[in-house]
Amino acid sequence: EAGVTQSPTHLIKTRGQQVTLRCSPISGHTSVYWYQQALGLGLQFLLWYDEGEERNRGNFPPRFSGRQFPNYSSELNVNALELEDSALYLCASSLSWTGGLETQYFGPGTRLLVL
Amino acid sequence: QKEVEQDPGPLSVPEGAIVSLNCTYSNSAFQYFMWYRQYSRKGPELLMYTYSSGNKEDGRFTAQVDKSSKYISLFIRDSQPSDSATYLCAINAGGTSYGKLTFGQGTILTVHP
Repeated sequence: EAGVTQSPTHLIKTRGQQVTLRCSPISGHTSVYWYQQALGLGLQFLLWYDEGEERNRGNFPPRFSGRQFPNYSSELNVNALELEDSALYLCASSLSWTGGLETQYFGPGTRLLVL
Repeated sequence: QKEVEQDPGPLSVPEGAIVSLNCTYSNSAFQYFMWYRQYSRKGPELLMYTYSSGNKEDGRFTAQVDKSSKYISLFIRDSQPSDSATYLCAINAGGTSYGKLTFGQGTILTVHP
């Protein structure tokens, strides 16, 4: 069974540009999560989508946004890139929430460098 | 104060040693406790999770939770070079915060032959 896939693997952008990162969940999973792993800051929760709806959002500015498509894949968009946005962006997926904790399975990430 | 504090390490141990990894948390609402392992250039993978105080064992790994002290630990017995990775504790409060995992900073572990 294929795991969570993310594209692209690496990306270089300049300040002020916009970027779109993509994630395909494990087959059968309907929840997708986005995390940022920046040097020195650890993994920080960005967004959670389930069944096409945004369910929860971390403490990030509005220039971080995303969406989930009917096939449950997801995009993360970052506008007006800043140097501190350089990080590994991780996507995870899980079965839909049923009231308990569902295991989140992580993809390999997209490494973004902002110059 | 960070919601989750993890001993930063790094840790370097000989093969066969017992490894102890620790995290403390500040919010008593946290009710799910996890340990993830992350190899270089890979995403984290779930090692163990629990939601109650006490010990949970899985092979060479034991997760320990003390809710009264807000303290969680992961013990690795008979450590192997293949255990060399970054270990991350993660905590979830459930309810409306479900989906949001709060991670510790991670501890880099090196097990040398």
